[in-house]
Amino acid sequence: KNQVEQSPQSLIILEGKNCTLQCNYTVSPFSNLRWYKQDTGRGPVSLTIMTFSENTKSNGRYTATLDADTKQSSLHITASQLSDSASYICVVSAGTNAGKSTFGDGTTLTVKP
Amino acid sequence: DADVTQTPRNRITKTGKRIMLECSQTKGHDRMYWYRQDPGLGLRLIYYSFDVKDINKGEISDGYSVSRQAQAKFSLSLESAIPNQTALYFCATSPRQGSYGYTFGSGTRLTVV
Repeated sequence: KNQVEQSPQSLIILEGKNCTLQCNYTVSPFSNLRWYKQDTGRGPVSLTIMTFSENTKSNGRYTATLDADTKQSSLHITASQLSDSASYICVVSAGTNAGKSTFGDGTTLTVKP
Repeated sequence: DADVTQTPRNRITKTGKRIMLECSQTKGHDRMYWYRQDPGLGLRLIYYSFDVKDINKGEISDGYSVSRQAQAKFSLSLESAIPNQTALYFCATSPRQGSYGYTFGSGTRLTVV
């Protein structure tokens, strides 16, 4: 069964600090891995999309890494801001069938002043 | 205007009532999806449609039905609403090319009393 596990479940950091969120998956055959940011009560918004051949992808202060051998991804947030408080969701797709995407349960990040 | 528009944004309905949630998109994407999100949990797939004539059940389709009226419109119906269908519902779209991610709507908060 395809699975996506994210850790930690929740995280509290001080404004200006860095943090790293983890995503482990067992989806096969791997097609792509996406990180989304979801503000409370809003729809998820795409941060990064990585295919098998990509190891690192950045979007401003967000940097995602992918190790396809160990089936792990991380999302690193640099110099956190209060607006980074949100849920971060890892989504992994199998083959080219987007209907078979598997969602993680998300990591809830709270950035405090 | 939003790329993916969901209506209504909020709805309170009584047990046993039929309710329809609507989704329209201006992305020109072939694929559309309905997801459900419960507090503290990940998104779960209800139904998905790869084109107007292709509709598929997701992991939690019981109690729901859908209609793809046009490429741009995908509606979700609860034939007889029950309290445990209280949740946040998201519509999403994606292009035929599977390496691109989803575009989500802003969600419909449904409460069944």
